Amino acid sequence: ETGVTQTPRHLVMGMTNKKSLKCEQHLGHNAMYWYKQSAKKPLELMFVYNFKEQTENNSVPSRFSPECPNSSHLFLHLHTLQPEDSALYLCASSQDKDANTGELFFGEGSRLTVL
Amino acid sequence: GDSVTQMEGPVTLSEEAFLTINCTYTATGYPSLFWYVQYPGEGLQLLLKATKADDKGSNKGFEATYRKETTSFHLEKGSVQVSDSAVYFCALSDKGTGRRALTFGSGTRLQVQP
Repeated sequence: ETGVTQTPRHLVMGMTNKKSLKCEQHLGHNAMYWYKQSAKKPLELMFVYNFKEQTENNSVPSRFSPECPNSSHLFLHLHTLQPEDSALYLCASSQDKDANTGELFFGEGSRLTVL
Repeated sequence: GDSVTQMEGPVTLSEEAFLTINCTYTATGYPSLFWYVQYPGEGLQLLLKATKADDKGSNKGFEATYRKETTSFHLEKGSVQVSDSAVYFCALSDKGTGRRALTFGSGTRLQVQP
């Protein structure tokens, strides 16, 4: 098992669909993150969870809804998305004591295309 | 707020050429600085880091020195290989803000030709 696993790897959805992205970490970390990666733009932090509690929401539209049922799992629920939401969505985790050392462990990402 | 600016790519080099990818930052506190690498089809991996001024991070032949006076953290490698082809991200973690997450640059794509 790799450290951080994301499913699905690729997702195509219409603007009226509802879908979810899943992230699972096998590293025993207690902080998890969603980032959005768009072409030629900096990685955009979306959400941060620490010990299942959301500690940061970076002004993300409500059509993106995160869920963190435990320290190992993180979901991103998607509904009524727009074509400009097409991007690579990256999940990452870290150990709380390493919060300021930058040791984030990333999954391979979920490539989302909104038609 | 905090920000990271990287040189735009793609950077195209021949094998064994010298590499420099520029990175400058703006931070309110005392940041730690990082370079992450993303190989095709993979997630980001930490390449190297420096936690205070004048520190030099190094890994796999890559180096970067934390220059507080110029707010820079340029990535260098003396002799690149085809296997170094990837996207490189500069990032910072601002301890002064207590913010947990990293602030990333837009990435620089490196293409190394044989």
